[in-house]
Amino acid sequence: DQQVKQNSPSLSVQEGRISILNCDYTNSMFDYFLWYKKYPAEGPTFLISISSIKDKNEDGRFTVFLNKSAKHLSLHIVPSQPGDSAVYFCLRNQGGKLIFGQGTELSVKP
Amino acid sequence: NAGVTQTPKFRVLKTGQSMTLLCAQDMNHEYMYWYRQDPGMGLRLIHYSVGEGTTAKGEVPDGYNVSRLKKQNFLLGLESAAPSQTSVYFCASSYGRRMGTEAFFGQGTRLTVV
Repeated sequence: DQQVKQNSPSLSVQEGRISILNCDYTNSMFDYFLWYKKYPAEGPTFLISISSIKDKNEDGRFTVFLNKSAKHLSLHIVPSQPGDSAVYFCLRNQGGKLIFGQGTELSVKP
Repeated sequence: NAGVTQTPKFRVLKTGQSMTLLCAQDMNHEYMYWYRQDPGMGLRLIHYSVGEGTTAKGEVPDGYNVSRLKKQNFLLGLESAAPSQTSVYFCASSYGRRMGTEAFFGQGTRLTVV
């Protein structure tokens, strides 16, 4: 049972525009959601998280929105930069157990 | 400060051979994790540990064993390697549930089973 789903394997945006990455989840029991970024041949690195009691968290160019009624969260990157090109993973932290989505490969074109 | 260190970085095994992957962290984290990454499937949790001396199964535990004898180390063992275990393996550590947030990942181990 895939608890965290990222249905778009890839996304391409123009530099300076907004990138929106989406994630859907099943089951309503969770502590936190996290977004990670991964470059080839490197380990994933933490971007931003959101707890179950919030509906928005912002950190610089990155904002995560949580819609609990729709069981959906999204990561907004504004403005997008070429260095943002990477694979983005949505993770679910359920009592310390971290479960990944399949990932979305973002390409930001100059 | 090394963070999370995985040993080795690359390995080629023959079918049926055994090996152990070592993960070491120097952040005094309680939780540690082992994942495998395969194309199109993201990272899948193999086993994890919520503290020294404890281990638990993740999403894809079959064919692997783990041990957490010391807080700073988490070992992943393959007793009889199979070609289906060809993958990139990542280790991670975190403070755990009470901190609620980020885990730190190692650089990965690329394992090929022929």
